[in-house]
Formats: sequence, C-alpha cells, structure tokens
Amino acid sequence: QKEVEQNSGPLSVPEGAIASLNCTYSDRVSQSFFWYRQYSGKSPELIMSIYSNGDKEDGRFTAQLNKASQYVSLLIRDSQPSDSATYLCAVKLMAGANNLFFGTGTRLTVIP
Amino acid sequence: GAVVSQHPSWVICKSGTSVKIECRSLDFQATTMFWYRQFPKQSLMLMATSNEGSKATYEQGVEKDKFLINHASLTLSTLTVTSAHPEDSSFYICSAPRDSHNEKLFFGSGTQLSVL
Repeated sequence: QKEVEQNSGPLSVPEGAIASLNCTYSDRVSQSFFWYRQYSGKSPELIMSIYSNGDKEDGRFTAQLNKASQYVSLLIRDSQPSDSATYLCAVKLMAGANNLFFGTGTRLTVIP
Repeated sequence: GAVVSQHPSWVICKSGTSVKIECRSLDFQATTMFWYRQFPKQSLMLMATSNEGSKATYEQGVEKDKFLINHASLTLSTLTVTSAHPEDSSFYICSAPRDSHNEKLFFGSGTQLSVL
C-alpha cells in the first residue's frame, strides 16, 4: 500500500466553482501534512500546511485534516484558470524526520 | 523568504557521460538537503538525503555509486549522475528545510535531464 494516495484526476471545474482535492495516507503516526502546487515543468511550491484535526483557511484555500480517517483535503474556492496545475499531497511520516512522502498528485483544470 | 537555487535548469548529454547538478541555499544554511526524482506524470520520489560533512543517505533501490552526492558546505549540495543512460532521463529536484525545526521544504527550480 502506498504511503500517500491521491486521485490522479484529471479534475475539471468551471471558473468560480469550488475544487475539492483529496488525499489519504497509511501511517497513523504521521505528524504533518502539506499541499504543494506544481505547474508543468516547474518545482513544487507550498500552498498549505496543517498539523491538527479540523480546518485551516488561507485566502481561497482551505485544508481539512481528519487523523482518525487518515484523510486530508484541499478546497479551492472561486477557482481561477491560474489554479490549473497538479496538486501534490505530502506527508511527514515520522516525528524528527524532515523528508516528505508525496502522493502522485491530482491534475486540476479550471475551465474559463 | 528562503530561496533554493538549482542549476542547470536543463541539460542534454550523451549516454555514458556524467552530469553534475548543483543546489544552493541562498539565504540560509542547510545542513540537510533532499534530492528527488520525478518521471513524467509521476510523483516526486526521494532519492537521497544529503548531510553536510557526512555521507549521504540513499533510499532503497537508488545506486549510491551512480548518483554521487556531495554536501561540502552548509549552502551547497551537488548530485552527479555518473555514466548516464537514457533511463536516467528525468526531472531532478533538490529541496531543503530552512532549519532543523522547520518542516516546510523549499524547492529548487529543478533540472530536466535528457540522456541521448
């Protein structure tokens, strides 16, 4: 079983809609969770980090974490064409370790 | 904000040659840097952890004699792909945490390697 799993998509939403991206992880002792955005041919850039159960909002982005269900999601409100990218879920599996394990990413397309 | 600089952005080389990729932390010292590889439409896969002043730690299945890592200073780590072959063609990305307590990684811009 993969440590971090995402639906590869592609996910298409109309401009202005809410995009919902989901991620599950296998290691119950995972400490930290991140969402990265990656444009084609570019390196990932951090969008959100979340460490506690519940919701965390930052502008149009909301990260949701449910440790009991081993599930983390990213909501993008008022989606814009510039949000079209691949979104990578990353999990830090062990306390004290710096490396992250990445999901395969979900390709999002926002249709004007 | 923290910046990680990676060079070159892309390189084309002949099979059998070696390629060196540099990763620099520009405004912070990085005792640890991570090297990832990403094949098309796949996720980032950790190859190795570069540690300043000591040997790198390689992930299972990654040949340490083929992917040489040197972390000679607190701001520079290099990855050398030795005797490159077409199957080594990939997107290589380095990253570094700003400090040992900061869990957020800053990524270099990546290097697209094409081996002919």
